[in-house]
Amino acid sequence: QQQVKQSPQSLIVQKGGISIINCAYENTAFDYFPWYQQFPGKGPALLIAIRPDVSEKKEGRFTISFNKSAKQFSLHIMDSQPGDSATYFCAATLGGNTPLVFGKGTRLSVIA
Amino acid sequence: DADVTQTPRNRITKTGKRIMLECSQTKGHDRMYWYRQDPGLGLRLIYYSFDVKDINKGEISDGYSVSRQAQAKFSLSLESAIPNQTALYFCATSVTGVTGELFFGEGSRLTVL
Repeated sequence: QQQVKQSPQSLIVQKGGISIINCAYENTAFDYFPWYQQFPGKGPALLIAIRPDVSEKKEGRFTISFNKSAKQFSLHIMDSQPGDSATYFCAATLGGNTPLVFGKGTRLSVIA
Repeated sequence: DADVTQTPRNRITKTGKRIMLECSQTKGHDRMYWYRQDPGLGLRLIYYSFDVKDINKGEISDGYSVSRQAQAKFSLSLESAIPNQTALYFCATSVTGVTGELFFGEGSRLTVL
């Protein structure tokens, strides 16, 4: 049972373009939705996160959009750069003592 | 120096061998996790531990065991490795009460022939 469904599996974007990665969840009790970024040969690292009481969170070129009624959230990377090329994972948790559950990941390639 | 250190970083072994992957951390976190990463399957939780006396199974614990030797050390064992355990394994830590922010090691790539 996959609790967080992520799409697309891979994405190619031109430099300067907008990268959009989508995730959907089933459990309405999830209360924290982070995105992790993983560069080749490295472990994932927290990029940005949101709680369901807000619809959007922005940090620099990275924005999470959250749609509670649709049970969906997405990561937008504005002005995408080759240095953004990485694998991105969405995740969710119930909080407390419940570990994160991850989506299957999106491999982003930003080409010049 | 890395806050979460995994050893070995790469290991090639044969079917049936016993393998141990080790993780140590200097972050002072109580909570530690082992994840497995496979292409197209994302990160799947194998085991997690919230303190030295606490061990919990994750989504895919069959074929694995763990040992929490100290607050800073958490080991993953494959008693009898099989080829479908070929994967990239990650150790991670988190602060008590904050399960959403994980700090990952750089991974241990295991190949079982």
